[in-house]
Amino acid sequence: NFMLTQPHSVSESPGKTVTISCTRSSGSIASNYVQWYQQRPGSAPTSVIYEDNQRPSGVPDRFSGSVDSSSNSASLTISGLKTEDEADYYCQSYDSTNWVFGGGTKLTVL
Amino acid sequence: EVHLLESGGGLVQPGGSLRLSCAASGFTFSSFAMYWVRQAPGKGLEWVSVISGSGDSTYYADSVKGRFTISRDNSKNTLYLQMNSLRAEDTAVFYCAKPGVEAPPRWGQGTAVTVSS
Repeated sequence: NFMLTQPHSVSESPGKTVTISCTRSSGSIASNYVQWYQQRPGSAPTSVIYEDNQRPSGVPDRFSGSVDSSSNSASLTISGLKTEDEADYYCQSYDSTNWVFGGGTKLTVL
Repeated sequence: EVHLLESGGGLVQPGGSLRLSCAASGFTFSSFAMYWVRQAPGKGLEWVSVISGSGDSTYYADSVKGRFTISRDNSKNTLYLQMNSLRAEDTAVFYCAKPGVEAPPRWGQGTAVTVSS
């Protein structure tokens, strides 16, 4: 079993770039795909990055994902921040068939 | 288009039971494992259970093992979660989700479960 650790919150100004990290506690981050979800208040999570760095149709190319084996972490980068990007973001990976979630990061765009 | 619609949530007393359903459409249901994920009020996402496409294999989070049972009816394209011996800490929005294979995962809109006397 492993855990995924995210910062509790990040904040940045509109137009800037923010990166949210997701660090795996044990085992290689590269051994299982990482997904990223956006969740706005009162709504279900929606995928913004899947399979480490793939962007679903309809998600702006301001969103990108990456994996870094040296730090055993995945990252979600959002460039050209907009106020509409303000939301909670969760990373998710697999432990065998089970899903493991990070604790979530609240992004504030101010 | 993939569509997942949960139902069956509601208010139940501690120790009670509830059965959640998730109606799926837009994909070959039997070809995919299916997941239940929950979110307690103000908290993060918690994986609850997974079932294989055939229904032969099931796995549970320790927090629900022995109390919850996941199942599916591939003839009806429907996923279920039978929840027994419910506790206050089971209060959450429950989501069903389809994993992605060279495609993004898809989630339903969720159904709320409240365990309270």
